[in-house]
Amino acid sequence: AQSVTQLGSHVSVSEGALVLLRCNYSSSVPPYLFWYVQYPNQGLQLLLKYTTGATLVKGINGFEAEFKKSETSFHLTKPSAHMSDAAEYFCAVSDGLTGGGNKLTFGTGTQLKVEL
Amino acid sequence: EAQVTQNPRYLITVTGKKLTVTCSQNMNHEYMSWYRQDPGLGLRQIYYSMNVEVTDKGDVPEGYKVSRKEKRNFPLILESPSPNQTSLYFCASSFRSQLAGGYNEQFFGPGTRLTVL
Repeated sequence: AQSVTQLGSHVSVSEGALVLLRCNYSSSVPPYLFWYVQYPNQGLQLLLKYTTGATLVKGINGFEAEFKKSETSFHLTKPSAHMSDAAEYFCAVSDGLTGGGNKLTFGTGTQLKVEL
Repeated sequence: EAQVTQNPRYLITVTGKKLTVTCSQNMNHEYMSWYRQDPGLGLRQIYYSMNVEVTDKGDVPEGYKVSRKEKRNFPLILESPSPNQTSLYFCASSFRSQLAGGYNEQFFGPGTRLTVL
């Protein structure tokens, strides 16, 4: 069974500061990993994904994440936070097998607050 | 425009009054799924469908029904809603993986906020 742990349900940073949102996963097979963002009153938007290949993945809006197999981690970072980054972020994992390869297991989410 | 639509977006109802939340996609996706989102719990899968007339339970199916009579539609049915089904519901769709170990990006609808009094 897969699972995702997001450390910190709320993270607050100053505008211009580094954003670091933590995600650890467990999976019995090489996983597919995702970060989704949810802006207030909106659906989920895919930020970035890791499937195979390069372990450092770049996404939209200046975000990136690094897949570290030895640490079972997929932390999300952005060098300089912007006010528009304030949102809830979800890490998700798929094993490519469950549900015909399409099931996503989500973490509990991290609410990012950006302060002036 | 490729999209997943849900209706209604907001719904307030009372315990026991049957309701249906519709989901439709225009991308010819085989796979469709329903999730519920609750504070502190993230998103949890309710039901999914691999194709027309093929549905299966997710992690939290109790109190819900689904049907898949057409490829584009995947309605979520609450036969007798209860207050613990107050939640934010998302429908998602994707192409079905052709091979074990494959991956296809899921597209999410805008969500339906349901309140059961």
